[in-house]
Amino acid sequence: AQKITQTQPGMFVQEKEAVTLDCTYDTSDPSYGLFWYKQPSSGEMIFLIYQGSYDQQNATEGRYSLNFQKARKSANLVISASQLGDSAMYFCAMREWDTDKLIFGTGTRLQVFP
Amino acid sequence: DGGITQSPKYLFRKEGQNVTLSCEQNLNHDAMYWYRQDPGQGLRLIYYSQIVNDFQKGDIAEGYSVSREKKESFPLTVTSAQKNPTAFYLCASRDSRPLSGANVLTFGAGSRLTVL
Repeated sequence: AQKITQTQPGMFVQEKEAVTLDCTYDTSDPSYGLFWYKQPSSGEMIFLIYQGSYDQQNATEGRYSLNFQKARKSANLVISASQLGDSAMYFCAMREWDTDKLIFGTGTRLQVFP
Repeated sequence: DGGITQSPKYLFRKEGQNVTLSCEQNLNHDAMYWYRQDPGQGLRLIYYSQIVNDFQKGDIAEGYSVSREKKESFPLTVTSAQKNPTAFYLCASRDSRPLSGANVLTFGAGSRLTVL
């Protein structure tokens, strides 16, 4: 069955440092996509980065990069040069192309301190 | 500007009452989704629809109902059968066309339902 696991309920990082948020997934579908979303306290969901299962290179979007290790079924988010505004909940999600379902992990709360 | 509008933003309901949450999008997206979020939790899929007049149950569909009579609208009804309906509800939509930006979900601002 399709499953997303985020094992870190909370993370702390100092401003300007890098941080890695973990995500592992499970699926039997060879075609899938992996997403990371940010949810500030306002509740809105903000798309950060996407990785397709057939993409050869790790995705990058500005300060965000996705460390995709297909054999390990992991898709960790790396945030470089953390900023105070990065404090939020971060969700990993996966969509199976076959079923079109998109499911989310339980999230990691990141707090950036000065 | 294109986007997704959810209403109401806050809603209070007495036990035993049905309530309908509105979700409207002007993005011309084919697929629409409803998620439920409990405090400190992730998003759980309630229902989704890939095309007008068709929808599928997600992981927690019991006690909810939806309709998809128009492409731009996907209302969610929380029925009295839903035992613990107090939650934050998020609607999302997605462009189904191939090669359209990885089919990223666009979310509404959410509706917070409280049962008194």
